Amino acid sequence: AQSVSQHNHHVILSEAASLELGCNYSYGGTVNLFWYVQYPGQHLQLLLKYFSGDPLVKGIKGFEAEFIKSKFSFNLRKPSVQWSDTAEYFCAVSLRDTDKLIFGTGTRLQVFP
Amino acid sequence: DTGVSQDPRHKITKRGQNVTFRCDPISEHNRLYWYRQTLGQGPEFLTYFQNEAQLEKSRLLSDRFSAERPKGSFSTLEIQRTEQGDSAMYLCASSLVVSEPYNEQFFGPGTRLTVL
Repeated sequence: AQSVSQHNHHVILSEAASLELGCNYSYGGTVNLFWYVQYPGQHLQLLLKYFSGDPLVKGIKGFEAEFIKSKFSFNLRKPSVQWSDTAEYFCAVSLRDTDKLIFGTGTRLQVFP
Repeated sequence: DTGVSQDPRHKITKRGQNVTFRCDPISEHNRLYWYRQTLGQGPEFLTYFQNEAQLEKSRLLSDRFSAERPKGSFSTLEIQRTEQGDSAMYLCASSLVVSEPYNEQFFGPGTRLTVL
């Protein structure tokens, strides 16, 4: 069965620190890849997506992610986090022949001023 | 607010009771999805519709669960004979199918179900 693994369950950083959240998926076919974010008290919203082309994708609020096909990875990065980045981050995969999203367990990020 | 809306936002019920949740998608979105999220987990896919047709159902969706989208607009998710294990956040999302390879899903605020 397809699955998505997020290695970091809880990350605590100070403002201006760099961030990298790991995401690996298990599926050998063609996939679409996503990072969703859920700020406290808000809905899940799309941060960035990859479906083809340049494996380095840029999203909102200075986030980027790199798709490394050989490693089945889609790690999320931000060079300098802000207190407002405090949220839960979910990596997700969808398969090309179906529309459903398969989510990882999420990473809770806390950024302290 | 023109986003996805869900009603109710919270539901507390006793084991064995039936509950029904409603989701109103973004206007003109033709796909509608249901997910379930338990504490410490990511959302798990339950089912999705294109217009009024239910295209896929997860094996997680037992016989006690039924979803409908009768007119291709709002959808309902009913759980019969609720069990404590049904306690979760039930999320609805919608998308507009324009072109492949993907359709961005917009999520609602969820309905939190607590079964006592």
